[in-house]
Amino acid sequence: DIVLTQTPLSSPVTLGQPASISCRSGQSLVHTDGNIYLSWLQQRPGQPPRLLIYKVSNRFSGVPDRFSGSGAGTDFTLKISRVEAEDVGVYYCMQTTQFPHTFGQGTKLEIK
Amino acid sequence: QVQLVESGGGVVQPGRSLRLSCAASGFTFSSHGMHWVRQAPGKGLEWVAVIWYDGSNKYYGDSVKGRFTISRDNSKNTLFLQMNSLRVEDTAVYYCARWGNDKRLDSWGPGTRVTVSS
Repeated sequence: DIVLTQTPLSSPVTLGQPASISCRSGQSLVHTDGNIYLSWLQQRPGQPPRLLIYKVSNRFSGVPDRFSGSGAGTDFTLKISRVEAEDVGVYYCMQTTQFPHTFGQGTKLEIK
Repeated sequence: QVQLVESGGGVVQPGRSLRLSCAASGFTFSSHGMHWVRQAPGKGLEWVAVIWYDGSNKYYGDSVKGRFTISRDNSKNTLFLQMNSLRVEDTAVYYCARWGNDKRLDSWGPGTRVTVSS
């Protein structure tokens, strides 16, 4: 199974400041079709997960442009350019390149 | 718009069975694969199973293989998860999610809670 390791596990951030979360894969996420199927999801308190980014860097419909994804190989990053109060929650990376699909442990974003 | 609503959760004793349902609307259900994902209390997300749009292929997570069965009824726009031989560690909120383009899980239901306890 592909192991995804997120850092940090907790991230206290000041409103208006940037935030960054790393996701490292234990093996290549390149699919046989040449694509990397690495997504980022947000889970606000008491809510189901919500897709933010798919295929490393594509923002899903309705996601604010302060969210961006990047990366290659086995290292991926989610960045929030200016954190807002509504961004509080847990963020997960997820790979759908290979079965079984797997998630990172989650990173809790909180406001300082 | 896309709507997914899970049901069938509850409290069940270890070793017993439970069947979850996920009612889909707002999209062509028969054109999309579907997933189940679960979340134990206070824990992270765990992928459970996937079924192809036509039911032709299914894959399972290691922890549920041989005990859980994913299925669907495209005539009723409904996804199922049959859970047998339930264990205390199966206690979780179970979410269904749509498998969209580019292998993304792009829509999620609110979840249904399953508690396995004697």
